[in-house]
Amino acid sequence: GDSVTQTEGPVTVSESESLIINCTYSATSIAYPNLFWYVRYPGEGLQLLLKVITAGQKGSSRGFEATYNKETTSFHLQKASVQESDSAVYYCALGDFFGGSNYKLTFGKGTLLTVTP
Amino acid sequence: DTTVKQNPRYKLARVGKPVNLICSQTMNHDTMYWYQKKPNQAPKLLLFYYDKILNREADTFEKFQSSRPNNSFCSLYIGSAGLEYSAMYLCASSPDCNQAPLFGEGTRLSVL
Repeated sequence: GDSVTQTEGPVTVSESESLIINCTYSATSIAYPNLFWYVRYPGEGLQLLLKVITAGQKGSSRGFEATYNKETTSFHLQKASVQESDSAVYYCALGDFFGGSNYKLTFGKGTLLTVTP
Repeated sequence: DTTVKQNPRYKLARVGKPVNLICSQTMNHDTMYWYQKKPNQAPKLLLFYYDKILNREADTFEKFQSSRPNNSFCSLYIGSAGLEYSAMYLCASSPDCNQAPLFGEGTRLSVL
């Protein structure tokens, strides 16, 4: 089945430092699945951070970026300068089809990020 | 309203008793999902409805039931809760396969 592997946390970074959270994927049904980063801030629900549905393109949101690399099957999340408010759990996910037009997301385990002042 | 609502936020259940969790959305989304999230594990898809058609994952087929009486409402039903059902249950909805599913805040179920 589909799988997503991401950086194991927890990850601690100082404010204004750069960040990279690695994500690699394996999709069984289609060559180019949709790719997502979701984030869960403390006390809140899971929310979409960014998505890319076309291989080779880059998505960005709130200073975060991720590029869909089909050669390395990766979708790493990067930010040049993190802030304390970025402290959260980050989930990489892929969207794939199965059984015809059925569509579902497969998630990684999540990476807990703590940004220290 | 562009949110997915889940009730209750916290649920306490006894071993062997039934549990019913509720999810609703008023965005006219075709697909509604239920995921289970345990500590240090990835959110795991349990089942989903595409319109009125229920799809359940093979490895959780017998453990969870669901109903969707109308487009807005979807429930997750556990007939007899066991300790292993303690988890966060996440509901999500999506209008189509190219839109990222929108998640609710989740229901934390504790089985004692």
